[in-house]
Amino acid sequence: DTEVTQTPKHLVMGMTNKKSLKCEQHMGHRAMYWYKQKAKKPPELMFVYSYEKLSINESVPSRFSPECPNSSLLNLHLHALQPEDSALYLCASSLVPHQETQYFGPGTRLLVL
Amino acid sequence: GESVGLHLPTLSVQEGDNSIINCAYSNSASDYFIWYKQESGKGPQFIIDIRSNMDKRQGQRVTVLLNKTVKHLSLQIAATQPGDSAVYFCAEIVNSGYSTLTFGKGTMLLVSP
Repeated sequence: DTEVTQTPKHLVMGMTNKKSLKCEQHMGHRAMYWYKQKAKKPPELMFVYSYEKLSINESVPSRFSPECPNSSLLNLHLHALQPEDSALYLCASSLVPHQETQYFGPGTRLLVL
Repeated sequence: GESVGLHLPTLSVQEGDNSIINCAYSNSASDYFIWYKQESGKGPQFIIDIRSNMDKRQGQRVTVLLNKTVKHLSLQIAATQPGDSAVYFCAEIVNSGYSTLTFGKGTMLLVSP
């Protein structure tokens, strides 16, 4: 089983809203990732969690706040987003950090109005 | 044939043809490579990987070739089917430290019945 699940599938929010994206995997993977993907572009890395600790933050604005409650769950808290933050947000996991195949979830399609 | 659009190169083939998708990578220290398939509205799906100590690896209907001399990677799909229509990304990673997965620009494969 190489399944990563993400909820919600779609999200529409205003610039003053607070929302959260959720990601879950039960493969025993110890690394989890958040990516942002714009249309017709490759995924861009946002955050890396390694053994439940934040190991990489790719200079992401503070209106995006990641959280890793346990080894199976990864959240992305959103607050005061801008319309240009509209994108597909992808979660991925790998057995160990960085040097193994990453398995992606289906993504959350976010629209900021 | 192959064409380069404003944002995403596109390869158009007939059903049953063999397809070859190319990727040039930039980091000579990269030693692990992955091909992902991304269908519209979905997350990237792992297809096949190869490590730098190999120059060829075969899967079911897919073959990846690695030429480290010219830093070139290719994905060959045999007997292409309409279900193979998607965007294909190559990704590279350096096997050291906190290296991250770096995606190529992507190629859209369109398969006509």
